[in-house]
Amino acid sequence: KQEVTQIPAALSVPEGENLVLNCSFTDSAIYNLQWFRQDPGKGLTSLLLIQSSQREQTSGRLNASLDKSSGRSTLYIAASQPGDSATYLCAVMRETSGSRLTFGEGTQLTVNP
Amino acid sequence: GAGVSQTPSNKVTEKGKYVELRCDPISGHTALYWYRQSLGQGPEFLIYFQGTGAADDSGLPNDRFFAVRPEGSVSTLKIQRTERGDSAVYLCASSLTGISGNTIYFGEGSWLTVV
Repeated sequence: KQEVTQIPAALSVPEGENLVLNCSFTDSAIYNLQWFRQDPGKGLTSLLLIQSSQREQTSGRLNASLDKSSGRSTLYIAASQPGDSATYLCAVMRETSGSRLTFGEGTQLTVNP
Repeated sequence: GAGVSQTPSNKVTEKGKYVELRCDPISGHTALYWYRQSLGQGPEFLIYFQGTGAADDSGLPNDRFFAVRPEGSVSTLKIQRTERGDSAVYLCASSLTGISGNTIYFGEGSWLTVV
């Protein structure tokens, strides 16, 4: 059974800091890994999708890496801003589970002005 | 509409009652998913539709939960004899196809409270 773990569960940083969120998964047989953002009371917004054959993806100040063999992914946020405050979720799609996503419990990020 | 639309946005119901939650996916998206998210947890998969058929319903917790998508667009999640443990946000998502790599778009969820 695939398990996804995110560390830390919560993080509070001052504005301008660079930060790293971590995601680990137990079954390396994945199709892809996605990072989502969830604002309070809202749905999920896809930030980055990394295919299993890729090592990283970048979008603006966000960079996500994937080490499939070790079951790890990181989301790097550069020059954090108060508007980045949200919960960040990683999710994996397994090779044997069709289109089902397995999510971690998320990292709640607060960026203080 | 431009995004995935879910109704109602909030529902309070009494224990034992029947509830229906509706999802209107992005036009043209053949794949539709239901997830359930409890407070402080990540979403958990419930069911996946490809067109009108349920391609994977292995996440439905028990036989009180049922979902349909009769015309391959709108889907309804049905919960019978609701229990307090059913209280959660029910998220619907859609993608163009069910193929790996397609971006999955989520709605804002239906917040269900069973009292």
